[in-house]
Amino acid sequence: GAVVSQHPSWVICKSGTSVKIECRSLDFQATTMFWYRQFPKQSLMLMATSNEGSKATYEQGVEKDKFLINHASLTLSTLTVTSAHPEDSSFYICSAMIGQQTQYFGPGTRLLVL
Amino acid sequence: GENVEQHPSTLSVQEGDSAVIKCTYSDSASNYFPWYKQELGKRPQLIIDIRSNVGEKKDQRIAVTLNKTAKHFSLHITETQPEDSAVYFCAASFTNDYKLSFGAGTTVTVRA
Repeated sequence: GAVVSQHPSWVICKSGTSVKIECRSLDFQATTMFWYRQFPKQSLMLMATSNEGSKATYEQGVEKDKFLINHASLTLSTLTVTSAHPEDSSFYICSAMIGQQTQYFGPGTRLLVL
Repeated sequence: GENVEQHPSTLSVQEGDSAVIKCTYSDSASNYFPWYKQELGKRPQLIIDIRSNVGEKKDQRIAVTLNKTAKHFSLHITETQPEDSAVYFCAASFTNDYKLSFGAGTTVTVRA
């Protein structure tokens, strides 16, 4: 149980385009999901908290107009990187919370912006 | 916000020996402490967690201890095997917002 999927697993795009990443909880409902970014050989950095039916809460320094988050259902949250630039290239990972505080992670999406 | 420090950053052990990773946290309100294992290019996998009302938890070869007074917690892996080689992250959160603050990670290499 507690399976989280993410799509796509990798994406290459041109600078200036937008990319949408989906995060789904497959066998449970998740009121709260989280989006992280991880650079090579570094830890996970929380970008935002996604709550079903309400606006996402962004961490300090994360531009909400650049990283659009939508949590339209109890099993799906999406992250859209708008007007992507090479510095946005990273490994984006979502997690879904189940029960009390336990988070299960998706497989991640590797984004490369050319 | 919460600040989690993790040591060591790298750890090399002989197969069959034990590995210990230590983390400290700053916010005394933190009450949930999970440990994740991440293999290269893969998702972080929850391997064990502990809550503040418990001092120790064990699951086969893995154990976690928590000292609330000193604000530190540790991961112990016994009888290490080559498949234990990975990056291990500790984290802390509290029930106000459930956000996980991660340590910097420990790269564990088990030598055959």
